[in-house]
Amino acid sequence: LAKTTQPISMDSYEGQEVNITCSHNNIATNDYITWYQQFPSQGPRFIIQGYKTKVTNEVASLFIPADRKSSTLSLPRVSLSDTAVYYCLVGDCYGNNRLAFGKGNQVVVIP
Amino acid sequence: KAGVTQTPRYLIKTRGQQVTLSCSPISGHRSVSWYQQTPGQGLQFLFEYFSETQRNKGNFPGRFSGRQFSNSRSEMNVSTLELGDSALYLCASSLAIRREETQYFGPGTRLLVL
Repeated sequence: LAKTTQPISMDSYEGQEVNITCSHNNIATNDYITWYQQFPSQGPRFIIQGYKTKVTNEVASLFIPADRKSSTLSLPRVSLSDTAVYYCLVGDCYGNNRLAFGKGNQVVVIP
Repeated sequence: KAGVTQTPRYLIKTRGQQVTLSCSPISGHRSVSWYQQTPGQGLQFLFEYFSETQRNKGNFPGRFSGRQFSNSRSEMNVSTLELGDSALYLCASSLAIRREETQYFGPGTRLLVL
């Protein structure tokens, strides 16, 4: 079971790019890396997923180095509405990531 | 396509009572997972059901139980409620047919134990 480590919190100014890192030193060959966003009193929402290199969608980019022992979620030009908790999760479809949400990274966007 | 729904949304119980929460997954999803979220502990995994069988289980006492029906709907039950069970209970569903995994979460049930 891959365990993830993230910073507890970070602040950023509106309009800046925010990079959130996650360490997962014992990631397994079959594991994917998935990031979720959660607003207060709501369920987490899927942002992006990747296996290696770089993945980009309409809201974020995910950078994964060759050794896959870490990953970086990049949010371009954040707005106040991006203030949320961000969770990094590693695992495969057989439920091995279910234990590893943890406390996530609280991102606060400042005007 | 309708998202994951959870009922009830809010619930107040007293210590010693029991409670049942319900989750309806996205149509076609076969896996349903339950999580407990508290300010101090973050998101903690309770258990996962796949095709009516419990496939994974977290580190919670036996007072927490669940089941899944043939239509993939799931219920979780907490017996002999304690004050510390006050939390947001989240349900998530997924297709679980490919290795890459995406969970879709419901809005949660907010349980307050007095």
